[in-house]
Amino acid sequence: EDQVTQSPEALRLQEGESSSLNCSYTVSGLRGLFWYRQDPGKGPEFLFTLYSAGEEKEKERLKATLTKKESFLHITAPKPEDSATYLCAVRGGGATNKLIFGTGTLLAVQP
Amino acid sequence: NAGVTQTPKFRVLKTGQSMTLLCAQDMNHEYMYWYRQDPGMGLRLIHYSVGEGTTAKGEVPDGYNVSRLKKQNFLLGLESAAPSQTSVYFCASSSSPSYTFGSGTRLTVV
Repeated sequence: EDQVTQSPEALRLQEGESSSLNCSYTVSGLRGLFWYRQDPGKGPEFLFTLYSAGEEKEKERLKATLTKKESFLHITAPKPEDSATYLCAVRGGGATNKLIFGTGTLLAVQP
Repeated sequence: NAGVTQTPKFRVLKTGQSMTLLCAQDMNHEYMYWYRQDPGMGLRLIHYSVGEGTTAKGEVPDGYNVSRLKKQNFLLGLESAAPSQTSVYFCASSSSPSYTFGSGTRLTVV
């Protein structure tokens, strides 16, 4: 059964204090690992898709990496506006195209 | 270009009442999904559709029904609401590899 586990559940950082969020997964036939950002009261907002081990993608202070078992979302010198819940999801084999989500990491960046 | 639009945004129901949540997308996506989001549980798939006229069960389908009569619309129905269905409901549409989510419907069943 496809499964996604995110850690930590919550993370509090000081502005400028870099850290990483973890997403470990088991899936039959990975067809994409997705990172989303979700602000309170809003829907998930797409950040990255990674497809194969070794792949990396960057956007501003965020960098996502992928291995065969896990993905990391690295946050460099975070700012208070980076505070949000970060969701990881995988798309496995089959024709349904559906995403399986982890429970998310709630990030709070204090000034 | 609105993307994915969900209506209503908020609703309070009494136990046993019925309602329909509407999801509309203007991106001509084939795939559409209904998720519910509960604290500590993440997003869980209720039902999905791989094209107009098709629907299928997801992870937590009990108590819900869906219809996809038009490609751009995906309706989620609750025939007899229960307090356990208090949640935030998100609709999404996709055309590989892109997924777009709506802003959610917050439903409270009392």
